[in-house]
Amino acid sequence: DTEVTQTPKHLVMGMTNKKSLKCEQHMGHRAMYWYKQKAKKPPELMFVYSYEKLSINESVPSRFSPECPNSSLLNLHLHALQPEDSALYLCASSQENRHTNEQFFGPGTRLTVL
Amino acid sequence: GENVEQHPSTLSVQEGDSAVIKCTYSDSASNYFPWYKQELGKGPQLIIDIRSNVGEKKDQRIAVTLNKTAKHFSLHITETQPEDSAVYFCAASIGGGGADGLTFGKGTHLIIQP
Repeated sequence: DTEVTQTPKHLVMGMTNKKSLKCEQHMGHRAMYWYKQKAKKPPELMFVYSYEKLSINESVPSRFSPECPNSSLLNLHLHALQPEDSALYLCASSQENRHTNEQFFGPGTRLTVL
Repeated sequence: GENVEQHPSTLSVQEGDSAVIKCTYSDSASNYFPWYKQELGKGPQLIIDIRSNVGEKKDQRIAVTLNKTAKHFSLHITETQPEDSAVYFCAASIGGGGADGLTFGKGTHLIIQP
């Protein structure tokens, strides 16, 4: 299995809602990432998990809360979002060693905040 | 932090011709340079990558060159086909030991004219 899956594909939420994005991989990768991509822009790094521990937080607002319950799963909990948070949220995974760090991306969750 | 510049933003070529996309990076510590292809509604797909100890790498119609002294790298696509039409992103990271996020260029919209 060489795939990163993300659910849901689309999500519409109000500013007072709480929702979660889910990412899963079964490639044995020990590093997982969240990126945010606005329309016609490149992906921007949000968080990095290494061996299920948060290793990088790119100064992301606390209304985004990541969680890595095990080495195959990565969640992004959303609360009190703003309309400007509407974007494509991409999950990626990679091996965690000095020889290779190819990142494999999922299809993304398209989030709309009303 | 790292800054990656990518040119051109749009590139239109005739089917069968070659396409070249160029990127520069700012952080001399970066040593891993992947290229991604993103089709509409999909996540980025890794198409080729290169590490700083290699000057050139080729995979069928796709090649990447790296000039570490000048801090620039390029993607070359030969014999372009309609299915090559997509947005292409270059990226850089300090790879080789530890999970590290990617810094992306702004992307090139490649259009293959039939």
